[in-house]
Amino acid sequence: AQSVTQLGSHVSVSEGALVLLRCNYSSSVPPYLFWYVQYPNQGLQLLLKYTSAATLVKGINGFEAEFKKSETSFHLTKPSAHMSDAAEYFCAVRGTQGGSEKLVFGKGTKLTVNP
Amino acid sequence: EAEVAQSPRYKITEKSQAVAFWCDPISGHATLYWYRQILGQGPELLVQFQDESVVDDSQLPKDRFSAERLKGVDSTLKIQPAELGDSAMYLCASRPLAYSYNEQFFGPGTRLTVL
Repeated sequence: AQSVTQLGSHVSVSEGALVLLRCNYSSSVPPYLFWYVQYPNQGLQLLLKYTSAATLVKGINGFEAEFKKSETSFHLTKPSAHMSDAAEYFCAVRGTQGGSEKLVFGKGTKLTVNP
Repeated sequence: EAEVAQSPRYKITEKSQAVAFWCDPISGHATLYWYRQILGQGPELLVQFQDESVVDDSQLPKDRFSAERLKGVDSTLKIQPAELGDSAMYLCASRPLAYSYNEQFFGPGTRLTVL
C-alpha cells in the first residue's frame, strides 16, 4: 500500500523567509508524487508533480520540490514566503487498489505567514 | 479555463435527513472521483468512476451513501440518512485520461454540516 506522512501539522514563517514543508512517502511501486494547496473553503489546486523525470520539480507560485529516493522524501520549498502563501498544503502519492488508481493524501500542513 | 463544478457549496441538514451533492467534471474527463475531507485531515477517496462505471467504491459506506454517474458525465452523491459524523467537505475531482501522471482537477467542494 502507498502512504505519505507530512511532518508538522502547522508551520509558521515570516514573510520573506524560506518555506519548507516535509513529506515522506511509502510506495511499493515507483512513486508518482504530488503537492496540492487548499485555501479556506476551496478545492485543491495542483502545485507540482513528480512522475519519474527530473528529481527537482518546479511548480507554480515559486514552489519547488526535490524527489530523494534514498530518503523517501518529497519536501516542498519556496525561497521567500509571501502572505498569499498562507494555506493548507497536501502531499499525495499515487495509490493502486484492485486495478484502479487513486491519490493517497497526507493529513496536511497548515502554513501561516507572519508579516 | 475549464473547471469542475459542484453544488451546493454549503449544505446544512439535520440528522436523519437525506442530502445530495452534484458534480459536473471538466468536459471530456472520463474519470471522476468523490472524496470526503474531515476538518484537519486530507481527502479520502469515497468512490471512483470510469465513464459510467464504478471502479472503486471500497471506502463508500454503502448502507447510507450512494453515487451514480448515469450518462458518464455529471455525478450525484447521496447520503440517506445523514449522521453527525458525516459533517465534512465533499470534494469532486476529474482526470482526463487513465494515465497515472495526469493530475486530478478538483472542484470547490460542498461543505456539509449535520446538526
